[in-house]
Amino acid sequence: GAVVSQHPSWVICKSGTSVKIECRSLDFQATTMFWYRQFPKQSLMLMATSNEGSKATYEQGVEKDKFLINHASLTLSTLTVTSAHPEDSSFYICSARVSSAPDEQYFGPGTRLTVT
Amino acid sequence: GEDVEQSLFLSVREGDSSVINCTYTDSSSTYLYWYKQEPGAGLQLLTYIFSNMDMKQDQRLTVLLNKKDKHLSLRIADTQTGDSAIYFCAETSGASKIIFGSGTRLSIRP
Repeated sequence: GAVVSQHPSWVICKSGTSVKIECRSLDFQATTMFWYRQFPKQSLMLMATSNEGSKATYEQGVEKDKFLINHASLTLSTLTVTSAHPEDSSFYICSARVSSAPDEQYFGPGTRLTVT
Repeated sequence: GEDVEQSLFLSVREGDSSVINCTYTDSSSTYLYWYKQEPGAGLQLLTYIFSNMDMKQDQRLTVLLNKKDKHLSLRIADTQTGDSAIYFCAETSGASKIIFGSGTRLSIRP
């Protein structure tokens, strides 16, 4: 099946710094990519939807100036957490969609961010 | 708004059937999904059902949908240790986004 990778798989950064997380579709082109955040023992919360070449659509309550999303190509989307704080520590998961078919959205393995 | 709810934990004996339940609120849901998440890993789509279906079976997995009660269940027959994971119920309506439940942690005891 289709593979989505994320890099890095885990990262530790200091408060106030920025960190970039990459999401790649390895063997397919993704028209749309999604970024989720998952707190321990909780569900996935959709942060934003991004389409290649256009601005991301953020969910209510998600600060777009803090979580910068760039969808530069059909195989790459990046999430940059700017001026990170400890409360940004979380598991960030991306997914990539090939089409609107229900079984054609594939999830990456996630990136664990710890802000100290 | 849309909401999807699940119980947090389920423990079953190896070889028994596991039944994970889910309720949702969005009456315009078109697809309902079950995803599996193993520790430290991403989500794996197990199965999905279209909202006009009542049941779907795929090997050891059986999905039942009661649209009137907005209730979805996943039955895993002959549960094995490899089935230990968190199972997420999810739904999508006409919009593109998938709404997830809180996940049910399934543990298997010998």
